[in-house]
Amino acid sequence: GENVEQHPSTLSVQEGDSAVIKCTYSDSASNYFPWYKQELGKGPQLIIDIRSNVGEKKDQRIAVTLNKTAKHFSLHITETQPEDSAVYFCAARIPGAGSYQLTFGKGTKLSVIP
Amino acid sequence: DVKVTQSSRYLVKRTGEKVFLECVQDMDHENMFWYRQDPGLGLRLIYFSYDVKMKEKGDIPEGYSVSREKKERFSLILESASTNQTSMYLCATRPRLAGGGRYEQYFGPGTRLTVT
Repeated sequence: GENVEQHPSTLSVQEGDSAVIKCTYSDSASNYFPWYKQELGKGPQLIIDIRSNVGEKKDQRIAVTLNKTAKHFSLHITETQPEDSAVYFCAARIPGAGSYQLTFGKGTKLSVIP
Repeated sequence: DVKVTQSSRYLVKRTGEKVFLECVQDMDHENMFWYRQDPGLGLRLIYFSYDVKMKEKGDIPEGYSVSREKKERFSLILESASTNQTSMYLCATRPRLAGGGRYEQYFGPGTRLTVT
C-alpha cells in the first residue's frame, strides 16, 4: 500500500515569514495529493489539492508543488498570519476501481508567532 | 455546505463497555469513513463504507466494527472498550463521483473518547 511521510512534525515561524511542509509518497501510481488544515477543536478541512498532471497550484497565499520523479510534494504558505496556526496533513491517493482511500501523513503542527 | 455531525464531542466510558459513535451527513454522499487520530500518528483509517450495508476494513480495524443501515448514517462500534482505544475519532464523507478529479473528504468535528 501507499506510505506517506511528512516533515517537519512541528514548525514555528514569525508572522509574515513563509512556511514549507514537505511530504514524500511511496507509490508512483498515486495521482491526487490534497492538503488538509485542522484547527483546534475542529475536523480537518481541505485547503488545496493537486493532481499528478500538474506541477504547481496556487491559491492566494497557499501553493502546492509536486515533483513526480522524486515522489514528493510540498505546501508553501507565504506571509503567514496567526490564523494559519493549525495542524496540517498531506495525503495521497492511489487510483483504480474501488480505490476510496486517502493515505495521510502524520501531520505538522504549525505555530505562527505574532 | 456539507454538514457532517458526530453524536458526541466528548465521551467517557469504562473498560469493557460497548460504545457507539454515530456519524450523520446531509449531502447524500455514498462513501463514509471512520478514522482515529493520535498525536504523532496522524489519521489512521479504521473502516469505510461505499454504500448502504457495505463496509471495508481500513488499516486498523481490530477491536472495532461498523454499521451502515441508512445512507446518511455510519456508526462505529467498540464491542468492548479498552484503554488503548482512548483517542479522537473522526468521521468523513465523500461523494462517489469525484468532481473535477477532486476526491475531497468532508470531516466531522470529531469525538474525543476516553476509556478508563
